Amino acid sequence: DTGVSQDPRHKITKRGQNVTFRCDPISEHNRLYWYRQTLGQGPEFLTYFQNEAQLEKSRLLSDRFSAERPKGSFSTLEIQRTEQGDSAMYLCASTARGTNTDTQYFGPGTRLTVL
Amino acid sequence: RKEVEQDPGPFNVPEGATVAFNCTYSNSASQSFFWYRQDCRKEPKLLMSVYSSGNEDGRFTAQLNRASQYISLLIRDSKLSDSATYLCVVNVGAGSYQLTFGKGTKLSVIP
Repeated sequence: DTGVSQDPRHKITKRGQNVTFRCDPISEHNRLYWYRQTLGQGPEFLTYFQNEAQLEKSRLLSDRFSAERPKGSFSTLEIQRTEQGDSAMYLCASTARGTNTDTQYFGPGTRLTVL
Repeated sequence: RKEVEQDPGPFNVPEGATVAFNCTYSNSASQSFFWYRQDCRKEPKLLMSVYSSGNEDGRFTAQLNRASQYISLLIRDSKLSDSATYLCVVNVGAGSYQLTFGKGTKLSVIP
């Protein structure tokens, strides 16, 4: 499968625990995005990387959230001290260099449930 | 006012029907426009980009009216497989790559 992959697909955690999600973009895609989607809503932008540089961050990305893309390939999203309000689907997307930069290809998402 | 607003839905239509979805956006500087499709508990997938001149892909036609800040999607001859949530999506450009999604409109095509 050469699409965007995310791991894990599902995560159940207790309030206050830390969680980390991984996203592997389509090979050679230099732009990578994280979104969050809650039930009945469209995805909401969290952050964006071009190669290893984090260039945009949403105000939704509180100080409990941190994202990295250390080698410009895969990315991780960590949530510290999880709260019940963090329960959502976390989606990763990627875009290729030199193409229509707005055509974002999404991964299957990581569904987080905070108990 | 929300940045991207869509018909609330849900739309329940019989097979073969024509259905139209409407969407408005608030930022007049928006540069790119899309319709994405999302199946239940799946990721969004690009259905089509939307251009000022209008564009058609088989049974799907998308229109953009920049003056009215309005986007539409028309589905002709609905199939059962068209059942999904349709998301109106906007990119404001100007160096930003984030997509802004509407809440989505759920379509159920009934046999």
